[in-house]
Amino acid sequence: DQQVKQNSPSLSVQEGRISILNCDYTNSMFDYFLWYKKYPAEGPTFLISISSIKDKNEDGRFTVFLNKSAKHLSLHIVPSQPGDSAVYFCAASAHQAGTALIFGKGTTLSVSS
Amino acid sequence: KAGVTQTPRYLIKTRGQQVTLSCSPISGHRSVSWYQQTPGQGLQFLFEYFSETQRNKGNFPGRFSGRQFSNSRSEMNVSTLELGDSALYLCASSQRGAGEKLFFGSGTQLSVL
Repeated sequence: DQQVKQNSPSLSVQEGRISILNCDYTNSMFDYFLWYKKYPAEGPTFLISISSIKDKNEDGRFTVFLNKSAKHLSLHIVPSQPGDSAVYFCAASAHQAGTALIFGKGTTLSVSS
Repeated sequence: KAGVTQTPRYLIKTRGQQVTLSCSPISGHRSVSWYQQTPGQGLQFLFEYFSETQRNKGNFPGRFSGRQFSNSRSEMNVSTLELGDSALYLCASSQRGAGEKLFFGSGTQLSVL
């Protein structure tokens, strides 16, 4: 049973436009959410995170939105650049319960110039 | 600061053999987690070690084991290898573990023939 779901396996966007990657979760105990970026044959690289006490967090071109009632989070990349092309993973944990990060299966983002 | 280092980078083994993978965390990080990435299942949590003690364990058979040394370096061992064990094994470190962002190594690509 997947607790963290990324329903879009792939997304194609033009350079300069906005990329929106989505993630849904089922476990209401999750209180910490992260996005990672991964290139082939490399380990995931941390991008941005958000605690459940917030509904938005920004870091440069990256913004994460959290909708707790819908159990949904999204990552916005503005403007998108060709170097953003990679696999993006959403992850969640129940911090207070000391659980490990649970990852979604990833969305492949392709940004064309 | 050096990142998470995993050795070896690639491994080829045959069914029934055993394998040991090594991970050196970022200096000062006491938590080391291991993840398995496969095309079908995505990133799955194996176990977490903190101060030489296994603190958390994922849903993997007992053939998968690990340990952590006093310098926080960690090893994971897989015994009686099966074809389905072919995967990218990722090590990640953090200062305290639960609920924190993880810093990943580049992984060990294991192929079981």
